[in-house]
Amino acid sequence: DAGITQSPRHKVTETGTPVTLRCHQTENHRYMYWYRQDPGHGLRLIHYSYGVKDTDKGEVSDGYSVSRSKTEDFLLTLESATSSQTSVYFCAIGTITGELFFGEGSRLTVL
Amino acid sequence: SQQGEEDPQALSIQEGENATMNCSYKTSINNLQWYRQNSGRGLVHLILIRSNEREKHSGRLRVTLDTSKKSSSLLITASRAADTASYFCATDVGATNKLIFGTGTLLAVQP
Repeated sequence: DAGITQSPRHKVTETGTPVTLRCHQTENHRYMYWYRQDPGHGLRLIHYSYGVKDTDKGEVSDGYSVSRSKTEDFLLTLESATSSQTSVYFCAIGTITGELFFGEGSRLTVL
Repeated sequence: SQQGEEDPQALSIQEGENATMNCSYKTSINNLQWYRQNSGRGLVHLILIRSNEREKHSGRLRVTLDTSKKSSSLLITASRAADTASYFCATDVGATNKLIFGTGTLLAVQP
């Protein structure tokens, strides 16, 4: 295993509530990513990080923010969840050679 | 819009047959990668091919890359029921180490 864990693995919340998903790695990799996976869309990049406090937007960043205060943790926050953010969220860590290792996913349902 | 598009979207074969999946992309790349995803799990890295390479092998996997046509193919030889999964191509563009994924091919290998 790549030493990457996501929490929570499942969450049901209501529209308008804030939600934070956590990604934790034990590999000390510089690069970390948040993707969402939806039927018919594959995986789409939300935000990524190339170091502590260094983050940038991906393809579908609206409505999401991230923070990385430590190498091992990358947090994804939905400030005010909407039904369109119902999805499976995957965190990944990137090696220096470019391969990604993925977590097992966090399934979020926004009612 | 997606950088990579896999073809076919779904493929059903018998055990022992070969499976071929194709990926087309739109912009110049540093490398192209293939990933497998079993149902309900995270993605697993299979193989990476760099833009200056034309073919790469890993066990029963063979990947080709044609940068002039902006396309790649993944061949799985002598398929097994355990190969049943979704397969995604992903392209690494620019200098930011971020991967853009296609929509995937769902492979079903019948025993």
